[in-house]
Amino acid sequence: QKEVEQDPGPLSVPEGAIVSLNCTYSNSAFQYFMWYRQYSRKGPELLMYTYSSGNKEDGRFTAQVDKSSKYISLFIRDSQPSDSATYLCAMSFTSASKIIFGSGTRLSIRP
Amino acid sequence: SAVISQKPSRDICQRGTSLTIQCQVDSQVTMMFWYRQQPGQSLTLIATANQGSEATYESGFVIDKFPISRPNLTFSTLTVSNMSPEDSSIYLCSVAPHSGDTGELFFGEGSRLTVL
Repeated sequence: QKEVEQDPGPLSVPEGAIVSLNCTYSNSAFQYFMWYRQYSRKGPELLMYTYSSGNKEDGRFTAQVDKSSKYISLFIRDSQPSDSATYLCAMSFTSASKIIFGSGTRLSIRP
Repeated sequence: SAVISQKPSRDICQRGTSLTIQCQVDSQVTMMFWYRQQPGQSLTLIATANQGSEATYESGFVIDKFPISRPNLTFSTLTVSNMSPEDSSIYLCSVAPHSGDTGELFFGEGSRLTVL
């Protein structure tokens, strides 16, 4: 069983839709959770960084962590074609430890 | 933030040869990492390269195959030695500019290697 599971997609939604991206994980010791966005032929860039359970909002993006279910989500509101990218979830045990990445979900927003 | 330049951006290599990838950062950083990204798979950490010490390799990666240099706080190289088609992948350099916090990583654009 992989430590971090992520549906690879592809996920295609119309512009303006709410997008929900998810990851599950197996190790309850993970405390720090991240979402990275990766455009084609570019390196990943950090979108959201949260600690422990709860929600964090930044503009159109909301990250949600449910440690009891070992489940994290990223919601994108009012999705735009420029949001089309691969989204990678990631997590670590401490703020200074190795990050474990999911395999990424490819998202396409149709104009 | 940090801006990272990687060279080469892509290359096609022959089996049995070696290739060195360069990573230049626009600011001094202590923690630098090398990742591999294979199609449809997650980013896999190859090694951590901190200036002034030997690189620390993850399970499944060895120094003879992936020697790393870290001569100063803004530069590192990763060599992929004696390449085989299984080494075809994207190799990414990343840094954690906020000392001690590995959650916020900045990545280069990657070096896409194809081994024939």
